Amino acid sequence: QAGLTQPPSVSKALRQTATLTCTGNSNNVGNQGAAWLQQHQGHPPKLLSYRNNNRPSGISERLSASRSGNTASLTITGLQPEDEADYYCSTWDSSLNAVVFGGGTKLTVL
Amino acid sequence: QVQLVQSGAELKKPGASVKVSCKASGYTFSTSDVNWVRQAAGQGLEWMGWMNPTSGRTGHAQKFQGRLTMTTDTSISTAYMELSSLRSEDTAVYFCARGSSPGGCDVWGQGTLVTVSS
Repeated sequence: QAGLTQPPSVSKALRQTATLTCTGNSNNVGNQGAAWLQQHQGHPPKLLSYRNNNRPSGISERLSASRSGNTASLTITGLQPEDEADYYCSTWDSSLNAVVFGGGTKLTVL
Repeated sequence: QVQLVQSGAELKKPGASVKVSCKASGYTFSTSDVNWVRQAAGQGLEWMGWMNPTSGRTGHAQKFQGRLTMTTDTSISTAYMELSSLRSEDTAVYFCARGSSPGGCDVWGQGTLVTVSS
């Protein structure tokens, strides 16, 4: 099944800002928005935001999500060492009747 | 607190079946869908399917057609995922996750490693 498109890797310096992108189509991101997940090595994923910019309790205000057309974005400001992780987007695809994931972006904090 | 606790690691031979359990606590189990997602070593997340504990409705990714069975036992707040006709490519960590929004899961189990090897 076709998934969402994410850049494989992004590298940014400590305390800088990183913007991760997730591109789909009108049947998924363009219609439903996207959720963002963070996964550290050896741990299950953790939900960071859903339906574009709704943050679960306890998620840092340094994270914000948005959507423009068929592309969702996650912006992390003031990068910290603990932000180094894999980030995935996901959403419902109304054409496939399935949840679709992006391939993930590995964020490196230099 | 809200959590999902999964059963332990499994080692299976090709052609066998595996059944993974996922016990929910800290919330009303019947009010949220349960999703199953897997992740092969060094790879991304792959959605397998979902089930609504109340209605029993399910949905699954096309590639698991005929091999995936999802069930729930609401009396013990537990969901189950059974995958049959296992092959080496099914070796992965399997997660259950609570559905919270379209395509979003807010609570994840710790993962169950399933290894398929002769």
